[in-house]
Amino acid sequence: DVKVTQSSRYLVKRTGEKVFLECVQDMDHENMFWYRQDPGLGLRLIYFSYDVKMKEKGDIPEGYSVSREKKERFSLILESASTNQTSMYLCASSLVAGDRTDTQYFGPGTRLTVL
Amino acid sequence: AQSVTQLGSHVSVSEGALVLLRCNYSSSVPPYLFWYVQYPNQGLQLLLKYTSAATLVKGINGFEAEFKKSETSFHLTKPSAHMSDAAEYFCAVRPNTGGFKTIFGAGTRLFVKA
Repeated sequence: DVKVTQSSRYLVKRTGEKVFLECVQDMDHENMFWYRQDPGLGLRLIYFSYDVKMKEKGDIPEGYSVSREKKERFSLILESASTNQTSMYLCASSLVAGDRTDTQYFGPGTRLTVL
Repeated sequence: AQSVTQLGSHVSVSEGALVLLRCNYSSSVPPYLFWYVQYPNQGLQLLLKYTSAATLVKGINGFEAEFKKSETSFHLTKPSAHMSDAAEYFCAVRPNTGGFKTIFGAGTRLFVKA
């Protein structure tokens, strides 16, 4: 089974702090994604990566950056956390870049609260 | 631009009753379509997907969905609801040309009454 793990289930940070969310997948998947999940809005794509050191902006990249130094690890960085970044963050991976029918496998999520 | 609409943010059914969760997409070309389920305190997992091979798609846990091009719909059904089906369900689309981004609907939370 594919396993996608996220470093924290719950995180509380203060406004202005730099926040790192880590995601690791164990199945050699090419694609990795970071989504933000808010009630009534579904999932919105923040960034995705189809290869090591490659990244593409999603629909809501402002205030976020990402890093993918190794194939299995994809990090989301909040440079200066703000209260409007309080949300559930979901990481996902999929096997093949360019396969439109590919299934995404999700981690359990990190619920981030910014005070 | 692609979009997906899920009708009803909340649906409540009795145990044993039919489950019907609605999903409509907007696209000039039929996209690829997915249904994901999210159980409490978990990430999403795939229920089923439409990849143009067959219009009636069977998924896990007794769910199925039918792609109807004329109605631009991909509704999810299950003949008999079980308490364990209580979860949030997301319809998602991915275009078959152009960009690869998946667009998720807002989600429908399913409640199952005993």
